[in-house]
Amino acid sequence: ELKVEQNPLFLSMQEGKNYTIYCNYSTTSDRLYWYRQDPGKSLESLFVLLSNGAVKQEGRLMASLDTKARLSTLHITAAVHDLSATYFCAVDSPNTGNQFYFGTGTSLTVIP
Amino acid sequence: SAVISQKPSRDICQRGTSLTIQCQVDSQVTMMFWYRQQPGQSLTLIATANQGSEATYESGFVIDKFPISRPNLTFSTLTVSNMSPEDSSIYLCSVAPRRDTQYFGPGTRLTVL
Repeated sequence: ELKVEQNPLFLSMQEGKNYTIYCNYSTTSDRLYWYRQDPGKSLESLFVLLSNGAVKQEGRLMASLDTKARLSTLHITAAVHDLSATYFCAVDSPNTGNQFYFGTGTSLTVIP
Repeated sequence: SAVISQKPSRDICQRGTSLTIQCQVDSQVTMMFWYRQQPGQSLTLIATANQGSEATYESGFVIDKFPISRPNLTFSTLTVSNMSPEDSSIYLCSVAPRRDTQYFGPGTRLTVL
C-alpha cells in the first residue's frame, strides 16, 4: 500500500520566519505534487515536480524532490499571513500513473 | 485547464437515505476520480471512473455503497447510499487531462444526521 506522510501536521509560525514542510512516500515515483487548500475551498495546484532533483519556486514557496530518498520539501521563506492554509503533497500511482495518493496534510497558520 | 462544477455544493441528509453528487467538466477527459475528505483529514481516493468501463474502487470502498456512473467524457455521478453519520465528508471529483495534471472540483459538503 502506497503511503504518503507529511510533517509536521500542524505548523504555527510568525510572519517573516522560514520553515520547511516534509513529504515522505513509500514507493518509487518520480512525480510529486503540492496543493494548497483554504478552509472550505477545493485544492489549488502549487507545484508539479517531475524528476529527481527538480526544484520549483513561486513567490515565497519553493518545492524540491529527491526521488532516491523518496522525499519532497516545501520551503517557506519569510512567511506572510496569506500563506495560512493546509498544504498537501501527493504522488501518483506507479501502476496507473493518474491515481493520486495524498499526504496527511500540513495545516499552516502564520501569526502576524 | 479544466473547469469543474459539482452539484449540490452542500447537503444535509437523514441517515438511511442516498444522495447523488454530480460532476460536470467543461472539456472531454478520459480519467475522472472521486475522493472523500473527512473532517480535518486528507483526501482518500474512492474510485477511478473512466468513460466506457466500470469504475475501479480502492480498498475499503465498494460499488454497492458508492455506485458511480460515467455516461460520457464530461460528466459523472457518485451516489452515497444508505448513509450514516460516518459518511459526513467533503466529496470531490477531479479530472486528469494528462498524467501530470489533475484538477479538482469545488467539492460537495455532506452532513448526515
